[in-house]
Amino acid sequence: DIQMTQSPSSVSASVGDRVTITCRASQGISSWLAWYQQKPGKAPKLLIYAASGLQSGVPPRFSGSGSGTDFTLTISSLQPEDFAIYYCQQANSFPWTFGQGTKLEIK
Amino acid sequence: QVQLVQSGAEVKKPGASVKVSCQASGYTFTGYYIHWVRQAPGQGLEWMGWINPSSGGTNLAQKFQGSVTMTSDTSISTVYMELSRLTSDDTAVYYCARGIFGVDNDAFHIWGQGTMVTVSS
Repeated sequence: DIQMTQSPSSVSASVGDRVTITCRASQGISSWLAWYQQKPGKAPKLLIYAASGLQSGVPPRFSGSGSGTDFTLTISSLQPEDFAIYYCQQANSFPWTFGQGTKLEIK
Repeated sequence: QVQLVQSGAEVKKPGASVKVSCQASGYTFTGYYIHWVRQAPGQGLEWMGWINPSSGGTNLAQKFQGSVTMTSDTSISTVYMELSRLTSDDTAVYYCARGIFGVDNDAFHIWGQGTMVTVSS
């Protein structure tokens, strides 16, 4: 199975900050990477698909980049509603796998 | 609107089985794979497998082969996920999810609200 490793596991930041979360795959996955946001008690929400495609309705302050094994999710200017847990997920090689999550907390 | 609505919370004893339903509406049911993802309390997300509602074909992660059965009923736009031989490790929220493009290796765009399954003696 492909292992997805996110870093950092948690990060503290302030409203208005720029934040970058990294996801590394244990082997190449082309651009088959998605990013999700999850808030307590809620289902995950798709933010980015195919590494850099912004899902409809998601604010443009979210962006994704990368291919192969290294990917990033960037939030350009944090808003209060962005504090949540973020997961990456690969769908290149069966079985699909998620990263362990990155908790974004208010500083 | 496009949505997936899941059945309610379940409490089961070890060794029992549970069957969770996921009813789709607002789109062509047979046009999109349905995936199942679970999340143990305080833990991350774990992909379990998918079902093609059109053909009934499934693809399960190896971990779940032999214990999970996924089925679909196109007459009521509903898929089911049955997990047998439950242990405490199966205590989790179970989500169904639909992709964007209708292919198996898809990003999960539409999610059900989740079904909490608790396994306790």
